[in-house]
Amino acid sequence: EVQLVESGGGLVQPGGSLRLSCAASGFTFSSYSMNWVRQAPGKGLEWVSYISSSSSTIYYADSVQGRFTISRDNAKNSLYLQMNSLRDEDTAVYYCASIPVAGRKTVDYWGQGTLVTVSS
Amino acid sequence: DIQMTQSPSSLSASVGDRVTITCRASQSIGSWLAWYQQKPGKAPKLLLYKASSLESGVPSRFSGSGSGTEFTLTISSLQPDDFATYFCQHYNTYFPTFGQGTKVEIK
Repeated sequence: EVQLVESGGGLVQPGGSLRLSCAASGFTFSSYSMNWVRQAPGKGLEWVSYISSSSSTIYYADSVQGRFTISRDNAKNSLYLQMNSLRDEDTAVYYCASIPVAGRKTVDYWGQGTLVTVSS
Repeated sequence: DIQMTQSPSSLSASVGDRVTITCRASQSIGSWLAWYQQKPGKAPKLLLYKASSLESGVPSRFSGSGSGTEFTLTISSLQPDDFATYFCQHYNTYFPTFGQGTKVEIK
């Protein structure tokens, strides 16, 4: 069974930092590019960041560029998102997901999400 | 960035109704469009990709059409399990964006 399990969310003050993790199982994690997608409470979906299977290609949304860092450890079947200089508007459920990107659709895998709340 | 605009933002329909949702891209994206269904508290689920290709396991009452900048998702006969929010997503570039969503509610 395919599983993506996010962790690391929680309450943090504006300007603070948080590191999200996503543990993958049930599929060959190292073969797939991965993304972080977020959803503010009651709002739509926003793509945050992309990382290729080998980590050679990385992209960020303008809203997080320079503040967030995506990484992965294929030996540990894990995806990460280091979030610094957090703002109120970063409050959202963060999903790790394999979604269609750049003309390529592979598999549809999503985690259950982890809630990040930025508030003083 | 490519902007995706869905309409309507919400609709009320009855079981058995035919439902159509529209998604417009701010510039041509070819057929690089996906549709998702999301239920409260759950992750989105992929329904269609490449505008009209049905994801494995998705009922055939879901269909998609369009290319360039105009796309539609059609549910041919709405079922109780279909009441949810639907999102379109372009994947023409490495910077995918989603529509704002269409909530399908029970009439």
